[in-house]
Amino acid sequence: DSGVTQTPKHLITATGQRVTLRCSPRSGDLSVYWYQQSLDQGLQFLIQYYNGEERAKGNILERFSAQQFPDLHSELNLSSLELGDSALYFCASSAGTSGRASGELFFGEGSRLTVL
Amino acid sequence: SQQGEEDPQALSIQEGENATMNCSYKTSINNLQWYRQNSGRGLVHLILIRSNEREKHSGRLRVTLDTSKKSSSLLITASRAADTASYFCATLVSGSRLTFGEGTQLTVNP
Repeated sequence: DSGVTQTPKHLITATGQRVTLRCSPRSGDLSVYWYQQSLDQGLQFLIQYYNGEERAKGNILERFSAQQFPDLHSELNLSSLELGDSALYFCASSAGTSGRASGELFFGEGSRLTVL
Repeated sequence: SQQGEEDPQALSIQEGENATMNCSYKTSINNLQWYRQNSGRGLVHLILIRSNEREKHSGRLRVTLDTSKKSSSLLITASRAADTASYFCATLVSGSRLTFGEGTQLTVNP
């Protein structure tokens, strides 16, 4: 058990809809990372938050947004969903006092999104 | 595009044999990490090697790093059926993101 909790584990929805994925990082970790894993794109970095502020941005679509709340949990919002958004979405957290990744990431079990 | 590329994409061996997976990357790194993923599960960190290190061991795992060739290898000795999983190398880019390769699918047959 990594200590990172993601909900929901599975989600099935239709094109055009909006979903919210939730992540609770390990106790004490200030950084949260979101990754998307699909068969054709591999594991893609989406975005990182550190102590409530966006720290780094990767291949995140404009239809997607994220935030980190004062209690350090994070949410990834996916809107106007398309078939190609079907993937595993992982949240990871890390220790570190500056928000600069240097050590290992602790991954949650992921949220599997299926868009029909 | 992915920073790291693993080779081979798939590897099938018998229990007790050694498994070697390779990773090549493109830009200078701070460190390189290896992760394991059981089917459909979260990634689990295995080992981290810093750019000034050449070799590191952890149990049955041995990682080497050649920064001049921008490559790393992961050796799993005396493999077990439970080692069946996907293995990813990840490189630290720009200090704030970990970039993963495509992974090697390892199958260890009993």
